[in-house]
Amino acid sequence: DTAVSQTPKYLVTQMGNDKSIKCEQNLGHDTMYWYKQDSKKFLKIMFSYNNKELIINETVPNRFSPKSPDKAHLNLHINSLELGDSAVYFCASSLPLAGGELFFGEGSRLTVL
Amino acid sequence: DQQVKQNSPSLSVQEGRISILNCDYTNSMFDYFLWYKKYPAEGPTFLISISSIKDKNEDGRFTVFLNKSAKHLSLHIVPSQPGDSAVYFCAARPTGNQFYFGTGTSLTVIP
Repeated sequence: DTAVSQTPKYLVTQMGNDKSIKCEQNLGHDTMYWYKQDSKKFLKIMFSYNNKELIINETVPNRFSPKSPDKAHLNLHINSLELGDSAVYFCASSLPLAGGELFFGEGSRLTVL
Repeated sequence: DQQVKQNSPSLSVQEGRISILNCDYTNSMFDYFLWYKKYPAEGPTFLISISSIKDKNEDGRFTVFLNKSAKHLSLHIVPSQPGDSAVYFCAARPTGNQFYFGTGTSLTVIP
């Protein structure tokens, strides 16, 4: 019974397309995140939602739009994909920011051709 | 602006010996530190943490040391086992704020 699950695990697409990655957590956590791991293996936060409200929005192109329909789900939609968007995207969840560690999903490897 | 740095991209250790992974940080407001372990094609999994009010935390074969004056964190694994071979990420956070991650150290434990 996976705690944080993301789909798809692999995604190969052409430049200019629009794609979405879905994330669900069954831990009852209030806070969810999207992280990007680039080719240099650097894990960098993109967004964070607490109880469906956006609380962290790092410097990310506005082609990236997160959406949280409820506190157990945080989806990531990317418009007009570019080559530089190729990366592994990790969803994570935690108790509120003040406490506890992050629980990560398995990652979604996006390749833009 | 990388606030958490792991300057050794890789480390090889013989089975049974001690593995020492290092991490440096720049933000004096960080008060909570964690180590994550990551296998290929999997997400990072939490390993051990330490609060800034402590200088050591131990959990079985894993011990984390914190030197606040040097802004330095280390993870000791002893004895090292082949199953410990993975990428280890250091992370740090100021109170009530987001986590900052290092770039990871790939540990290989040689049987």
